[in-house]
Amino acid sequence: NAGVTQTPKFRVLKTGQSMTLLCAQDMNHEYMYWYRQDPGMGLRLIHYSVGEGTTAKGEVPDGYNVSRLKKQNFLLGLESAAPSQTSVYFCASKKQWTSYNEQFFGPGTRLTVL
Amino acid sequence: GENVEQHPSTLSVQEGDSAVIKCTYSDSASNYFPWYKQELGKGPQLIIDIRSNVGEKKDQRIAVTLNKTAKHFSLHITETQPEDSAVYFCAASINSNSGYALNFGKGTSLLVTP
Repeated sequence: NAGVTQTPKFRVLKTGQSMTLLCAQDMNHEYMYWYRQDPGMGLRLIHYSVGEGTTAKGEVPDGYNVSRLKKQNFLLGLESAAPSQTSVYFCASKKQWTSYNEQFFGPGTRLTVL
Repeated sequence: GENVEQHPSTLSVQEGDSAVIKCTYSDSASNYFPWYKQELGKGPQLIIDIRSNVGEKKDQRIAVTLNKTAKHFSLHITETQPEDSAVYFCAASINSNSGYALNFGKGTSLLVTP
């Protein structure tokens, strides 16, 4: 199993450009999450999904959109990138509907917006 | 929402010494407390977790304690080794409609010197 994979690993954007980050998991997990990590801030939840076709906002959703068309994929979109979105983005997935399950994280995508 | 405080932000110990990282949480409904280790350039990886109905859990050199009354939990690493050097995050999760997302502390950078 590859676990959780993220594409791309690195990306540089100019202000106003758009892009999509792809997260894929091969563990048949129901729950998937997008977090962003900034220096000294820990990880903050952007959006999450509790199943195929469903998405919901997290703590810092502004400027991002997500889609979960297939159970194994969770896409994070930036429609008009801003320098404040420079960050490292982590995707995670979890198996079941209780809190007592490990979240598995991907390796991250480092995004720089100039 | 849940607020997780983590201390210290940096910790330096000599090889063989013990390291302790402490976290507090604000929401008494939190019931799951994982600890993640993040090595440079990688995603967070679960090292140990504890449920709210347990006071202590140990796995070889790593242990976690939970005090529900005081709403704090701690990570203890004994006989530290240079490969323990990393950033450690505590987190808390609630059985709520936030998809059981994790609320993270801001991290502790642990350095173990030979």
